[in-house]
Amino acid sequence: EAGVVQSPRYKIIEKKQPVAFWCNPISGHNTLYWYRQNLGQGPELLIRYENEEAVDDSQLPKDRFSAERLKGVDSTLKIQPAELGDSAVYLCASSSLPGLAARAADTQYFGPGTRLTVL
Amino acid sequence: SQQGEEDPQALSIQEGENATMNCSYKTSINNLQWYRQNSGRGLVHLILIRSNEREKHSGRLRVTLDTSKKSSSLLITASRAADTASYFCATQKDSNYQLIWGAGTKLIIKP
Repeated sequence: EAGVVQSPRYKIIEKKQPVAFWCNPISGHNTLYWYRQNLGQGPELLIRYENEEAVDDSQLPKDRFSAERLKGVDSTLKIQPAELGDSAVYLCASSSLPGLAARAADTQYFGPGTRLTVL
Repeated sequence: SQQGEEDPQALSIQEGENATMNCSYKTSINNLQWYRQNSGRGLVHLILIRSNEREKHSGRLRVTLDTSKKSSSLLITASRAADTASYFCATQKDSNYQLIWGAGTKLIIKP
């Protein structure tokens, strides 16, 4: 079974440039997460989707970040414009327990991440 | 915000020795999970322990949970070079699906 796929693996851009990350979750997984992980820290949730609905985007900096999951499968996360402080690893994860069941126990499967460097 | 705090921040041991990492958290939880992250790779789920469980085993891994002290420990027995990685604990609350992560323990196994 293929795992969570992310691309690109690395991205270097100058500040004020736009950037986009793509994620393909594990087949059949309804729930998709985007996290940001700064060096030496654990992941921080940016947004969570159940199917195509963003059910929690409270920690997404909406002035410059946007995300979509149009058909409830693949997802893209965009930053426009990027700032120096956006340099981090952006992780995508998926799980197979949507809705209320997700509150019972949620094992998340992570992709390799995209390492973003903003110069 | 991060709830879990791992201790120690870094640990270096000889291959074959046991490694113990600790995690403390602040609020009540439904479950606690341990993940491993190798350099340049994504996070891999290792083990989940529920709030009504005290101990759980998986291969060379042993996890304990003390809800009265709001702490958990991960023991890796007979360590191998391939165990070199960062280990994170993550907690999930009753009424919230969200996983709250600690900053991780960096484990180095010396050959």
